[in-house]
Amino acid sequence: AQSVTQPDIHITVSEGASLELRCNYSYGATPYLFWYVQSPGQGLQLLLKYFSGDTLVQGIKGFEAEFKRSQSSFNLRKPSVHWSDAAEYFCAVGRMDSSYKLIFGSGTRLLVRP
Amino acid sequence: DVKVTQSSRYLVKRTGEKVFLECVQDMDHENMFWYRQDPGLGLRLIYFSYDVKMKEKGDIPEGYSVSREKKERFSLILESASTNQTSMYLCASSLIGTFNEQYFGPGTRLTVT
Repeated sequence: AQSVTQPDIHITVSEGASLELRCNYSYGATPYLFWYVQSPGQGLQLLLKYFSGDTLVQGIKGFEAEFKRSQSSFNLRKPSVHWSDAAEYFCAVGRMDSSYKLIFGSGTRLLVRP
Repeated sequence: DVKVTQSSRYLVKRTGEKVFLECVQDMDHENMFWYRQDPGLGLRLIYFSYDVKMKEKGDIPEGYSVSREKKERFSLILESASTNQTSMYLCASSLIGTFNEQYFGPGTRLTVT
């Protein structure tokens, strides 16, 4: 069965430091991959997505992610974290038996130290 | 600006009550979703609708039903609320098409006592 793993439940970084959030998926073919962010008290917002092509994807708010097929990973990165980036981040993969259903990871909560 | 609204941010109900959670989107989206969000489990799909009066079960439909009488409105119904349905409920909508972006509402935190 398809699955998405976010191995880090919590991550704390200092403001201005770089960030990498890990995501691994299980899937046989080229997956549809997504990162969503949930700020406190808000719904989820799409940061970026990968469908095909260039494996380095740029998103909103200065985020990027890299698809690595050999590692079954789609890690999210940001070169310099701002206090407003404190939120929960969800990686998701499109189900191969559907054109709309997503499988979400369990989420990583990012804390930002001043 | 796109908008998905949910009728309540917080709701407290008693065991056995019938509970209605309402979701409205103003983007003329065909697809609408109901998810349940629990710590450590991420989001799990309860039900999906791709058109008025059309619905599909998601991964955890037991104990829930849905109604979509108008394109912009998608309701989640707990026929007889139980304590294990205490959770955050998120509604989302998207355009029809392959994995189009889902737009989420702010969520309803339901507590069943």
